[in-house]
Amino acid sequence: GENVEQHPSTLSVQEGDSAVIKCTYSDSASNYFPWYKQELGKGPQLIIDIRSNVGEKKDQRIAVTLNKTAKHFSLHITETQPEDSAVYFCAALTGGTSYGKLTFGQGTILTVHP
Amino acid sequence: GAGVSQSPSNKVTEKGKDVELRCDPISGHTALYWYRQSLGQGLEFLIYFQGNSAPDKSGLPSDRFSAERTGGSVSTLTIQRTQQEDSAVYLCASSSGGSGTFGAGSRLTVL
Repeated sequence: GENVEQHPSTLSVQEGDSAVIKCTYSDSASNYFPWYKQELGKGPQLIIDIRSNVGEKKDQRIAVTLNKTAKHFSLHITETQPEDSAVYFCAALTGGTSYGKLTFGQGTILTVHP
Repeated sequence: GAGVSQSPSNKVTEKGKDVELRCDPISGHTALYWYRQSLGQGLEFLIYFQGNSAPDKSGLPSDRFSAERTGGSVSTLTIQRTQQEDSAVYLCASSSGGSGTFGAGSRLTVL
């Protein structure tokens, strides 16, 4: 089955700096890669996603890049703010269709220091 | 409702008891997932329902775990003869394709 590896497990940055979280996946049939932000006591919330026919997607301060050949994708957060502090999860959708099983990475605890 | 609703939000039970966790998905979402999140850990896939297809049960950790989805809507995750290692947050998500919308989870504590 699909295996998603996520690094780093913890990331600490100063407010205003950029943060980068990287994930690799194993199943070349995976075609959809969402990123989630989870705050304490809440369920994960989708923040950005990318499909396999796109190399990069940006939404204000966050962006995701995808390298299908290398089977890795990354989340980039620029101009970080304290409210960005949370746990971030990457995921890969297996099954070859829009529906299928989401396999998650282990998560990254991001701390943004004021 | 506007989101995915899970109940109970917290459940404390004694080892050996059975528990039922409920998920009300977003209306019209045909896909429904259950995940388990242990303290400080990632999301472990449990089971996936898609429309009228047979569910993907490949993530259920043992035969003590089962889930059903009635009428293509509400889902119940049942854990029989609970063990302490079952303590975790159980998350439900529903989807109309692609990413899922998660509920807030049900925190299960087995004493």
